[in-house]
This record gives sequence, C-alpha cells and structure tokens, in this order.
Amino acid sequence: NAGVTQTPKFQVLKTGQSMTLQCAQDMNHNSMYWYRQDPGMGLRLIYYSASEGTTDKGEVPNGYNVSRLNKREFSLRLESAAPSQTSVYFCASSTIPGNTEAFFGQGTRLTVV
Amino acid sequence: QKEVEQDPGPLSVPEGAIVSLNCTYSNSAFQYFMWYRQYSRKGPELLMYTYSSGNKEDGRFTAQVDKSSKYISLFIRDSQPSDSATYLCAMNRDDKIIFGKGTRLHILP
Repeated sequence: NAGVTQTPKFQVLKTGQSMTLQCAQDMNHNSMYWYRQDPGMGLRLIYYSASEGTTDKGEVPNGYNVSRLNKREFSLRLESAAPSQTSVYFCASSTIPGNTEAFFGQGTRLTVV
Repeated sequence: QKEVEQDPGPLSVPEGAIVSLNCTYSNSAFQYFMWYRQYSRKGPELLMYTYSSGNKEDGRFTAQVDKSSKYISLFIRDSQPSDSATYLCAMNRDDKIIFGKGTRLHILP
C-alpha cells in the first residue's frame, strides 16, 4: 500500500544549485500534480499532468520544470534554486484529471539557503 | 480576487463543540466541492466531497454547499482533540484541483 511516494523527504540546497524531486504512484492513476505549500498560502499548483505524455502549467510554474517519465512517475526539477523556493512540496495523483479525490505523498521539505 | 477564499484561522474550540469551517468561491464553473484534512507534517487526505447544493452527512461531519451564494461549509459535531488539523476546501475546474489556504483547527481537551 505505498500509494504516492516522494523522494527525498528533506533537502537543503544552496542558492543556484539544481535538484530533482521524484514522485511515483502505484495506483495506476492517469493524472499527477505538483503543489507547494507555504505558511498562509495554502496549496498552490505548480504543474500537472492530466495524462501520460502531457504536462501543463499551474498557478506558480516559474522556476520549475517537470517530466512525466511514464504513467507512474512525475518529477519536478529546480534548475537554479532560489530562497523563494523554500517550501514543502507535495506530489499528488488522481484517477482522472481534476477528480474529486487526489492522493498525496508525504511531502518534501526543501530549504534553499 | 482569488478563486477560492478561506480564513486561515487558527480556530480554537473546546472539545464537544460544533465547529463551522467556511469557504467562498468566485468561479461558477466549479463542479465538485471537497474538504481535505491535513495533520501536521502529513499530506492532505480527502474527507468529503459533494457536487450539488444542499447537505451531505458522514458521521460527525456535514458538508454544505450553497451555489447561489458561492459558499461552502464543513460542520463537525461533537468535536474531538483528534480533529485538530488543518482543513482545506478544494474545488475542481478543468483538469485541476484548486485549494483554499486551509483553516488550522485546535480542539481543546
């Protein structure tokens, strides 16, 4: 019963470094999402993939790129990390795009210094 | 104006009280209205959803939607300390799920 698995759980980066956040789901879901959660800001959609082979921008895509590697995996890349990208990142998946129930991973706590 | 507005709280109530959590929205295109619960340092989990105006009950929880006023509510009866969490309203549009900011709820023993 793994559900949605994110790696790593914690990460500290220096300004300008790059990294990739990994996400994998084992529920055969078509749609996957990346959100960031900041105090007082709620969950904001960064990018999403309605189905394998497609990706679209969400509310706050600047500074990020994504890859839908296959149906199971959806990665988020920070090419040149900035302190403003310090946040908790959540990956989620759902059976169909915008479905009522999205299943979330446990989050990645990222600090950019 | 953001599409979904939610008071972030925090909201503190004594154990056993009825809790009322609310959201307003601006986009009439939203079809489904959801409530997610998020415990500290965990990912959100779906609590309830509804798609029509009116009430939907599930145990101690009641979700209410008023589409004419663009207003949704979640009521928790007989609140328990284990209900202490952040509650996020959410709505779907196109292929996306849009979340409110979340309301932090503390149930005091």
